[in-house]
Amino acid sequence: DTGVSQNPRHKITKRGQNVTFRCDPISEHNRLYWYRQTLGQGPEFLTYFQNEAQLEKSRLLSDRFSAERPKGSFSTLEIQRTEQGDSAMYLCASSPGDTQYFGPGTRLTVL
Amino acid sequence: AQSVTQPDIHITVSEGASLELRCNYSYGATPYLFWYVQSPGQGLQLLLKYFSGDTLVQGIKGFEAEFKRSQSSFNLRKPSVHWSDAAEYFCAVGVESSASKIIFGSGTRLSIRP
Repeated sequence: DTGVSQNPRHKITKRGQNVTFRCDPISEHNRLYWYRQTLGQGPEFLTYFQNEAQLEKSRLLSDRFSAERPKGSFSTLEIQRTEQGDSAMYLCASSPGDTQYFGPGTRLTVL
Repeated sequence: AQSVTQPDIHITVSEGASLELRCNYSYGATPYLFWYVQSPGQGLQLLLKYFSGDTLVQGIKGFEAEFKRSQSSFNLRKPSVHWSDAAEYFCAVGVESSASKIIFGSGTRLSIRP
C-alpha cells in the first residue's frame, strides 16, 4: 500500500498525559498537512509543511500542540497535557502540489 | 472569509435513484474545488476536483460535479446511487493559488433506502 499511513489508529489517554501521532506521507510528496475532525464536522486545518519547513499554523493549534517533519518525510504531531476537548480524529494528508490525499486518521479519546 | 456551506446535513435516497448534493462556497478569486467521501472509520477519498476548464467534472464511482460561478456552487451528482454510496460527503475549497490549505464544509450524510 503506497497511500498515506497514520499510527496509531486509535489512542485512549487520560487527561493531562502527552500523546504523539505519526504520519507517513506518500513517497516524494513534498507537502504534508494535519487536520482535526470532530464528530459531525468537516476536517479543520491545523498546520502545513513543505518539505521540512512548517509554513502555516492555524490558531486552533494551541501552545500544547507541536508538529515536526524533521527530514521532510514522516511527520509527528504531539499534544501535551491533553484535555477532553482534544478528543477528535486527527487526519494527515500529503500532496505533490494541488491535490491532497488523506490517511485513515488517528482517533484520540481523552478520558 | 472563505467558507463552504453544505445546506443538507442528511439525505436519504432510494437505491437506483438520482442524487444531488449541494455545495456553496465563498471565495474572492477563482476557487479550487473538491468533493471527498468518507466512509465510517475511513479516511477521506477524493471523488473529483475542479481547477479550471470545463465546468462539468467527472470523477470516480460515477460521480460528477458542475461548477457554476454565478451561483458560487459546486453540486455533486450521480444518476443512480448504489447501497455502497452510503457515506459522508464533504465539499471543500482550496484557498491558496496552489490549494495549500483546504476549507471543508460540514458534510452531508447520505443514507440509501433499499
